[in-house]
Amino acid sequence: KNQVEQSPQSLIILEGKNCTLQCNYTVSPFSNLRWYKQDTGRGPVSLTIMTFSENTKSNGRYTATLDADTKQSSLHITASQLSDSASYICVVSRYGGSQGNLIFGKGTKLSVKP
Amino acid sequence: DTEVTQTPKHLVMGMTNKKSLKCEQHMGHRAMYWYKQKAKKPPELMFVYSYEKLSINESVPSRFSPECPNSSLLNLHLHALQPEDSALYLCASSQEAPGELFFGEGSRLTVL
Repeated sequence: KNQVEQSPQSLIILEGKNCTLQCNYTVSPFSNLRWYKQDTGRGPVSLTIMTFSENTKSNGRYTATLDADTKQSSLHITASQLSDSASYICVVSRYGGSQGNLIFGKGTKLSVKP
Repeated sequence: DTEVTQTPKHLVMGMTNKKSLKCEQHMGHRAMYWYKQKAKKPPELMFVYSYEKLSINESVPSRFSPECPNSSLLNLHLHALQPEDSALYLCASSQEAPGELFFGEGSRLTVL
């Protein structure tokens, strides 16, 4: 069964600290993996998109890693800011599929406290 | 700021009303999508348009009727909705289908 599991479900950290969010998937055949940031009540914003051959991709203070062998990805946030408070969604695309083959994780809700 | 624009941002309607949600993008993308998102859940795909033709309908009830007048515009016509249809409706676009999605800010729909 094609699934995307994210952990933790929620996370509270202090401003300035680092954190890592996890995404495990069983989607096959794999095409790419995306991380989105979604503020409450707003549309998701793309942070990174990685294909099979990419291990690491950075976008400012966000660094995503991908291990296609173990089917795991992580999103590392460095020096967190209050504005990082949001839900982070991992989305995996099946190769050769239509857009209907995007599998969404349930997200990790991150709260950054002052 | 998103390059996919959705209107209205908020909509309250009764179960007998007819209303429409609108979405516009000027990135030259040829694929556009409607997603529905309930609170604390991931977005669920409703419809996909590719080159202005409906390519995916995820068994959505007929009270939701999509329309793609041209490659830049996507509408979602709403009629005889139920309270459980209250949700955030997200429009997205991509260069082709499948592709990297660019989401709009969403339209928050409340059905009374």
